[in-house]
Amino acid sequence: AQSVTQLGSHVSVSEGALVLLRCNYSSSVPPYLFWYVQYPNQGLQLLLKYTTGATLVKGINGFEAEFKKSETSFHLTKPSAHMSDAAEYFCAASDYSSASKIIFGSGTRLSIRP
Amino acid sequence: DTEVTQTPKHLVMGMTNKKSLKCEQHMGHRAMYWYKQKAKKPPELMFVYSYEKLSINESVPSRFSPECPNSSLLNLHLHALQPEDSALYLCASSQADRNYGYTFGSGTRLTVV
Repeated sequence: AQSVTQLGSHVSVSEGALVLLRCNYSSSVPPYLFWYVQYPNQGLQLLLKYTTGATLVKGINGFEAEFKKSETSFHLTKPSAHMSDAAEYFCAASDYSSASKIIFGSGTRLSIRP
Repeated sequence: DTEVTQTPKHLVMGMTNKKSLKCEQHMGHRAMYWYKQKAKKPPELMFVYSYEKLSINESVPSRFSPECPNSSLLNLHLHALQPEDSALYLCASSQADRNYGYTFGSGTRLTVV
């Protein structure tokens, strides 16, 4: 069964610093991979996704992620953190089949220090 | 229209009440989902509808009853809930032929008293 592991339930960075949120997946076949962001009392918003093709994926709000098959990783980065980036971030994976489950990681809460 | 709309945003109900949650999308997505999310946890899948047919039920108690009247609408009927059912209920939709990611609604915050 597929699983998604997010290292670090809480990450704190200073405003303007690099943001790095880690995600690893377990699957013999590379799945589709996603990063979602959730602000308090809101639904989840898709930040970016990897399906096929280019392994460096750019998303909204200046975030990007790189798919590394050899490391089974899909880490999320942003060069310079803003206060507005404070939120919960979920990495997720799905297989190729139609209307299938998306498996979520446990989430990482990102805090930004002034 | 690129949104999934959920109503109501907040709901307080007693354990003997019957209520319904509603979800609507007009993106032409033919797969729709109900998720339950407890505080500080990831969403947990409850039901999946594909082409208006129930395709996945994650062993959800019968006090939760989903319904998909047409390709744009998804309902979740609630009856005799327990306080532990209090949570954020999220609806999502996606293309049915390939899973390119869900579009989520903003959720219904349910409190059972």
